[in-house]
Amino acid sequence: DTEVTQTPKHLVMGMTNKKSLKCEQHMGHRAMYWYKQKAKKPPELMFVYSYEKLSINESVPSRFSPECPNSSLLNLHLHALQPEDSALYLCASSQDTGLSYEQYFGPGTRLTVT
Amino acid sequence: AQKVTQAQTEISVVEKEDVTLDCVYETRDTTYYLFWYKQPPSGELVFLIRRNSFDEQNEISGRYSWNFQKSTSSFNFTITASQVVDSAVYFCALRVNRDDKIIFGKGTRLHILP
Repeated sequence: DTEVTQTPKHLVMGMTNKKSLKCEQHMGHRAMYWYKQKAKKPPELMFVYSYEKLSINESVPSRFSPECPNSSLLNLHLHALQPEDSALYLCASSQDTGLSYEQYFGPGTRLTVT
Repeated sequence: AQKVTQAQTEISVVEKEDVTLDCVYETRDTTYYLFWYKQPPSGELVFLIRRNSFDEQNEISGRYSWNFQKSTSSFNFTITASQVVDSAVYFCALRVNRDDKIIFGKGTRLHILP
């Protein structure tokens, strides 16, 4: 099973709302990732978790707050977002963070900030 | 610095035609991995292939084949007898030893016309 699931599929939120995106994998992978993808652009890395610890934060604004409660679950908490944060948010996982490990992506959450 | 160039922004072919997607990469690292991902309209990135820098053997998987040439820093992807379901954005990507990031090309949008 190479499935990464993400909920919700679509999310519309106002600039003052607080919401969370959820990602889950049951492949025993120890690395999990959040990416942001704007229309017609490649994905951009936001955060990397390795063994449930945050290992990379790509200078993401603090209105995005990641959380890894356990090895299967990854959340992205959203607060006070801006319209330019509207994008497809992709979660991915890999066996480890090493060079050779391919990342498996979820279907994404399409976020619209109004 | 690392870079992936997919010069073809958009390609349209008629079903059953063969099509090649070009990928040229730049890195000074001797150890690296190259990847191809497919992103259908649904949004999920689907892993297609991984190739390491020490393995220049070409690969065939059904209608898909990949040609890796270190001499020209290219990792091209050919779809034989294309089908409408092959319509998607295809990303070539690079990962080098010192970095946890995947460096994506800008993607090639492929339209297979019935």
